[in-house]
Amino acid sequence: QQQVRQSPQSLTVWEGETAILNCSYEDSTFNYFPWYQQFPGEGPALLISIRSVSDKKEDGRFTIFFNKREKKLSLHITDSQPGDSATYFCAAGSFNKLTFGAGTRLAVCP
Amino acid sequence: EAAVTQSPRNKVAVTGGKVTLSCNQTNNHNNMYWYRQDTGHGLRLIHYSYGAGSTEKGDIPDGYKASRPSQENFSLILELATPSQTSVYFCASGDWDKNTEVFFGKGTRLTVV
Repeated sequence: QQQVRQSPQSLTVWEGETAILNCSYEDSTFNYFPWYQQFPGEGPALLISIRSVSDKKEDGRFTIFFNKREKKLSLHITDSQPGDSATYFCAAGSFNKLTFGAGTRLAVCP
Repeated sequence: EAAVTQSPRNKVAVTGGKVTLSCNQTNNHNNMYWYRQDTGHGLRLIHYSYGAGSTEKGDIPDGYKASRPSQENFSLILELATPSQTSVYFCASGDWDKNTEVFFGKGTRLTVV
């Protein structure tokens, strides 16, 4: 049973557009939700995170919107740049553990 | 940012052999983790630790052991390596009690032939 689901599997946007990556989860005990960015051949790098007491977290061009009631969250990347092309992982955490989704591969075309 | 260092970065092992992957972190984090990453599966948790001397089973522990001899070091041990354990392995550290973020190392690419 996949506890953290991401959609779409892959996404292509044009430079300057907003990319929207979705994530949902099942376990209501999850209270910490980081997003990681991963380039080929590298480890996941923390991008931005949110805790369940908040419904929005913004950091520059990256914003997380969180809906606790629906157990859904999304990562919005505004003014997308070709350098944002990477795989993005949503994770959910509780009780000292992080569970990851399968990732969304984002391609930003110039 | 937390420094998590993994060694070796690449490893080729023989089926049935013993493999030890090492991880070191220098930020005094209590929690450390071992994940494997395979195409289509994201990152899956193998073992984790709350602190020196503790190891806990993650979601896919079969075929793996872990050891946390000190706050800084966390090892993943494959006693009898199999080709199905060919993967990229990531170590991570964080501190849940202090609400720190979880940071990852650069990974170890293991090939079992």
